[in-house]
Amino acid sequence: NAGVTQTPKFQVLKTGQSMTLQCAQDMNHEYMSWYRQDPGMGLRLIHYSVGAGITDQGEVPNGYNVSRSTTEDFPLRLLSAAPSQTSVYFCASRRTSILNTEAFFGQGTRLTVV
Amino acid sequence: LAKTTQPISMDSYEGQEVNITCSHNNIATNDYITWYQQFPSQGPRFIIQGYKTKVTNEVASLFIPADRKSSTLSLPRVSLSDTAVYYCLVGDPGSARQLTFGSGTQLTVLP
Repeated sequence: NAGVTQTPKFQVLKTGQSMTLQCAQDMNHEYMSWYRQDPGMGLRLIHYSVGAGITDQGEVPNGYNVSRSTTEDFPLRLLSAAPSQTSVYFCASRRTSILNTEAFFGQGTRLTVV
Repeated sequence: LAKTTQPISMDSYEGQEVNITCSHNNIATNDYITWYQQFPSQGPRFIIQGYKTKVTNEVASLFIPADRKSSTLSLPRVSLSDTAVYYCLVGDPGSARQLTFGSGTQLTVLP
């Protein structure tokens, strides 16, 4: 199993450009989430999904869109990149369980907006 | 979502036991307590979870008092490779929005 795979690992964008961060998991997990982590800070939830076709907003959703057409994939779209979106982005997945809180994270995408 | 409070940083020496305490005064009935570890440039990694009393796995122990308003992560005989940020999370595992991260505790293990 590859777990949670994020691509690309690094990206530099110009202000105003758009792009999609890819996230794929091969564990058949229903729950998937996107986080951003700024230097010296904890992770903040951007968007999350409880299954294919269902998404919802987290703490900091502005400037980002998501969709979940399959269980495996959960792409994050930056509509018009801004310097404030310079951050490290992590995707996570977790199986549906009322007893288990273990989530699996990807290695992250380091995004710089200039 | 229950708010957590934990020390910003801690130092320890190799071979010592490290205890990191997390305060979560408004924990709800369905909430579990979960700890994650994060190394620089990596995603967080699950360490341990618990609901009450004591939980132990091959990596750590988690102590939760009866009132559940705090918890303590115990790392036995730390090594330099345990230097990382440790996050305490409190939430309902039945909720997809359960993982809310605070600022974490930077543990530095010294030789």
